[in-house]
Amino acid sequence: DAKTTQPTSMDCAEGRAANLPCNHSTISGNEYVYWYRQIHSQGPQYIIHGLKNNETNEMASLIITEDRKSSTLILPHATLRDTAVYYCIERGTASKLTFGTGTRLQVTL
Amino acid sequence: EAQVTQNPRYLITVTGKKLTVTCSQNMNHEYMSWYRQDPGLGLRQIYYSMNVEVTDKGDVPEGYKVSRKEKRNFPLILESPSPNQTSLYFCASIAKGQGGYEQYFGPGTRLTVT
Repeated sequence: DAKTTQPTSMDCAEGRAANLPCNHSTISGNEYVYWYRQIHSQGPQYIIHGLKNNETNEMASLIITEDRKSSTLILPHATLRDTAVYYCIERGTASKLTFGTGTRLQVTL
Repeated sequence: EAQVTQNPRYLITVTGKKLTVTCSQNMNHEYMSWYRQDPGLGLRQIYYSMNVEVTDKGDVPEGYKVSRKEKRNFPLILESPSPNQTSLYFCASIAKGQGGYEQYFGPGTRLTVT
C-alpha cells in the first residue's frame, strides 16, 4: 500500500506560516498527493492536491519536490482555527484513500 | 448547499442488535465510501461504491455490509455488532474532477457497542 511519513506533531505561532512536510517516497508517476485536515472529531476536510506542479488555493499552498518524493503544505498565516490534524495522502484512484496518522498542528497565541 | 449527511450522529447499542447508519449526499457523485476512525489508527476504509449496485471491500470490511440502491444513499449495516466495532464512522462522497478527486466527508457517527 502507498504510505506517507509525516511528523507526529508541530507547533506554530498565530500569524506565522505553518510548513507541514510529508515524505511519499513510494509514490508512482500518476499518483496525486492530497492534503486533508481534521479539526477535533469532525469529518476530514479537503485542502489541496497536486501531481508535480506547485499548487495554491484559498486555503494553502502545496510545494512538491521535483522527484515527487516529498511535499510541503504551507498555511501562509496560521490562525487558531487551523489547529487540526493534517493528513498527507497519496493515491491513484477514486476508490482508495489511505490515511496515515497525520501531523497534529497546534497554533498558539 | 452541497453536503453529506449521516444518521444517527450518536448511537449506543448492545452486542448483536442489528443497526444501520445512513449516509446521503446531494452532489450526484458516483463514488462513495465508508471509513472508521480509532485512536492511534487513523482512518481506515471499510467499503466503497463506484456507482449504483457496485460496491467493493476496503481495508477493514469484516463485520460490515453496505448497499447502493440509489446514487444518493450509501448505508452501512452492522448485522451483529460487537464491541470491537465501537468507533467513529465517516461517510464520504467523492467528486471526480480535472486532475484527481476530492472527498467530502459527513459529520461522523459515534457508535458504542456494549
